[in-house]
Amino acid sequence: DTEVTQTPKHLVMGMTNKKSLKCEQHMGHRAMYWYKQKAKKPPELMFVYSYEKLSINESVPSRFSPECPNSSLLNLHLHALQPEDSALYLCASSQVSGRGYNEQFFGPGTRLTVL
Amino acid sequence: AQTVTQSQPEMSVQEAETVTLSCTYDTSESDYYLFWYKQPPSRQMILVIRQEAYKQQNATENRFSVNFQKAAKSFSLKISDSQLGDAAMYFCAYTGTASKLTFGTGTRLQVTL
Repeated sequence: DTEVTQTPKHLVMGMTNKKSLKCEQHMGHRAMYWYKQKAKKPPELMFVYSYEKLSINESVPSRFSPECPNSSLLNLHLHALQPEDSALYLCASSQVSGRGYNEQFFGPGTRLTVL
Repeated sequence: AQTVTQSQPEMSVQEAETVTLSCTYDTSESDYYLFWYKQPPSRQMILVIRQEAYKQQNATENRFSVNFQKAAKSFSLKISDSQLGDAAMYFCAYTGTASKLTFGTGTRLQVTL
């Protein structure tokens, strides 16, 4: 299975809502990533998990809370978001090797709209 | 810090023709990977081709090939026999010892009949 899945595909939420994005991979990868992508821009890295531990947090506001329950799952919990947080949220995974990190495989993304 | 530059915001190619997308990068590392990712309007980011810096041979994947010039820090993508399905945003990306992908700003490729 060479696929990264993300649910939901679309999400509309109010600024007071709490919601979660889910990402799953079954490629045996031990690194997982969250990116935020605005229209016509490259993805911006938010978080990196390596062996289920948070290894990179790119100074993301605390209203975004990542969680890695096991090596196959990655969640992004959302609370009190702002309209400017509306974007495509991409999940990715990769192997971890002695030479660093290899190519990342991306999921289809969740299109988030914050009203 | 590493940087990736794509100087062509948009490119257009006729079906069946060849097009080359440019990418330059800056790094002080000697061991790294370079990638071209494709993102069609359906938004799924798809890996097109990868190049390992220590390999001198240019990578090739069917109609896609790269021209990797390590000394010049250049990594261009050539698409031969362009097809309508090649229309997409193409991102050049770099990863080194840090666990990060550094993306360029992207090149939007249009394929015309």
